Amino acid sequence: DSGVTQTPKHLITATGQRVTLRCSPRSGDLSVYWYQQSLDQGLQFLIQYYNGEERAKGNILERFSAQQFPDLHSELNLSSLELGDSALYFCASSTAPRPYEQFFGPGTRLTVL
Amino acid sequence: AQKVTQAQTEISVVEKEDVTLDCVYETRDTTYYLFWYKQPPSGELVFLIRRNSFDEQNEISGRYSWNFQKSTSSFNFTITASQVVDSAVYFCALSEAGNTDKLIFGTGTRLQVFP
Repeated sequence: DSGVTQTPKHLITATGQRVTLRCSPRSGDLSVYWYQQSLDQGLQFLIQYYNGEERAKGNILERFSAQQFPDLHSELNLSSLELGDSALYFCASSTAPRPYEQFFGPGTRLTVL
Repeated sequence: AQKVTQAQTEISVVEKEDVTLDCVYETRDTTYYLFWYKQPPSGELVFLIRRNSFDEQNEISGRYSWNFQKSTSSFNFTITASQVVDSAVYFCALSEAGNTDKLIFGTGTRLQVFP
């Protein structure tokens, strides 16, 4: 158990819908990262927050957004969902913004029908 | 450009065999970090090791060992006396000190260990 929690574990929804994925980092970790794992794209970095502020953006679509709250939990919002958004979404946390090891949550499997 | 290549898509071995997973990286940074993660069938990503570019010492942890060679831009992972529980997908990843903290992952190597 990495100490990073993600909810829900599974999410099934329809095209055009909007969903919110939630992540709680390990106790004391200020940095949160979101990654997407899909069959065709592999594991890709989406976005990083550090202590409430956006720190880096990767291949995140404009339909996707994220935020980190004062209690350090983070949410990833996916809207106008398409079939191709079906993937495993991971949240990771680390103790600092420097590339210390990132500890990953169990992931949320999103299926868009 | 930063890139991680894991040329071996899938490897199958019989229990107790040694197996080496290859990882080759590309980066222009002089300071960077290399990682290995394990993804068992249950799906979570488990951190195994982090190495920084200034530390070329090889590392051993139980049955696991890592060989970091800057001259060939490789960071290979060897499992000695493999076990069925080692069956998983293994990912090599790179993070550049001057380029945010994101991890750039390879495509992974699926290891199947048969009894």
